[in-house]
Amino acid sequence: GAVVSQHPSRVICKSGTSVKIECRSLDFQATTMFWYRQFPKQSLMLMATSNEGSKATYEQGVEKDKFLINHASLTLSTLTVTSAHPEDSSFYICSARQTPLGSTDTQYFGPGTRLTVL
Amino acid sequence: AQKVTQAQTEISVVEKEDVTLDCVYETRDTTYYLFWYKQPPSGELVFLIRRNSFDEQNEISGRYSWNFQKSTSSFNFTITASQVVDSAVYFCALSRRDSSYKLIFGSGTRLLVRP
Repeated sequence: GAVVSQHPSRVICKSGTSVKIECRSLDFQATTMFWYRQFPKQSLMLMATSNEGSKATYEQGVEKDKFLINHASLTLSTLTVTSAHPEDSSFYICSARQTPLGSTDTQYFGPGTRLTVL
Repeated sequence: AQKVTQAQTEISVVEKEDVTLDCVYETRDTTYYLFWYKQPPSGELVFLIRRNSFDEQNEISGRYSWNFQKSTSSFNFTITASQVVDSAVYFCALSRRDSSYKLIFGSGTRLLVRP
């Protein structure tokens, strides 16, 4: 149980294009999902917290107009990198927290999406 | 402020050796959770354990064991009889027991188990 998928696993795009990454909780409902970014040989950096049916909460320094997050259902959150540039190239990882509240406080992670912007 | 420190950047051992990964945390909260995750070369983070701040019992799961000591704010992870498949980056993380449920990660320890 507690499986989280991400799609695509790898994407290469040209500078200036937008890229959408999907995060799905496959066997549980998640009112809260998280988006992280990880640079090579570094730790995970939380970008934003995504709550179903409401606006995402972004961490300090993360451009909300650049990284659009939509959490339209209890099993799906999407991250859209708008007008991507080479410096946006990174490994993006999502996680999902199982509901109902209090049932568990464990985040389960997706396999990640490697974005390369040419 | 909350912080997780994994002082060991990289550890290299020979297969079958025991290895301990250190984790020290800082928090002013009285209730919190501690986690260990494994990130193999494929990139996916694998959940290993969650420990409630009220539960200081050590835990053993197969070759894995965890030593939680609130007095020293440490949550160390030991792999007994290491195997090549244990090679990965291991992250220790801390979360508050509030509505944010944010995870604060340490910098990770890269473990290389040589045959």
